[in-house]
Amino acid sequence: DAKTTQPPSMDCAEGRAANLPCNHSTISGNEYVYWYRQIHSQGPQYIIHGLKNNETNEMASLIITEDRKSSTLILPHATLRDTAVYYCIVRGNTGNQFYFGTGTSLTVIP
Amino acid sequence: GAVVSQHPSWVICKSGTSVKIECRSLDFQATTMFWYRQFPKQSLMLMATSNEGSKATYEQGVEKDKFLINHASLTLSTLTVTSAHPEDSSFYICSARETRQGGTDTQYFGPGTRLTVL
Repeated sequence: DAKTTQPPSMDCAEGRAANLPCNHSTISGNEYVYWYRQIHSQGPQYIIHGLKNNETNEMASLIITEDRKSSTLILPHATLRDTAVYYCIVRGNTGNQFYFGTGTSLTVIP
Repeated sequence: GAVVSQHPSWVICKSGTSVKIECRSLDFQATTMFWYRQFPKQSLMLMATSNEGSKATYEQGVEKDKFLINHASLTLSTLTVTSAHPEDSSFYICSARETRQGGTDTQYFGPGTRLTVL
């Protein structure tokens, strides 16, 4: 599975959009991009995933570049409860395992 | 989204004893479940893949005789930490794979079990 690179930490003002980048330059054609977040001392929470088209759900939007080598998770109106570690994971559709990197620690500031 | 539960949420045990942790998918069937371990200030580390009705597949460096995994039904997987020692103290998290129509699937995670070995 392709490896991902994320900035270790980011801050975002409450009410503003949080844009979390992820680099996955070695992604292959059948690999999906998944995003999860983990609030302290809890299990990871599924956010969104996509293959090549942009995706949106009630939590976030996922923007994948045309060459698929990077993506951005967008939380449109960040709240204090969005403070968490966000993980970007790339995995093939037929594969099983998720291997977590170090993620981005997002702090939403009042 | 789908719900996965774990029991217990926390456990304290004496060194040398065994501890069993349960992972259940509450509203979907999961032929595959996964067990992770997370030490403080670190990321999740995959320990093993649990397949219903067959033996678990362990990641390199994980002792299969120490971490016994059983996946006897489509909604339940158990992890038993045998002869636990203080270095086994960690946050253990399970996930269950939900397969969706169209071929994509995703994993839903349990809330985790905090194990402290004295």
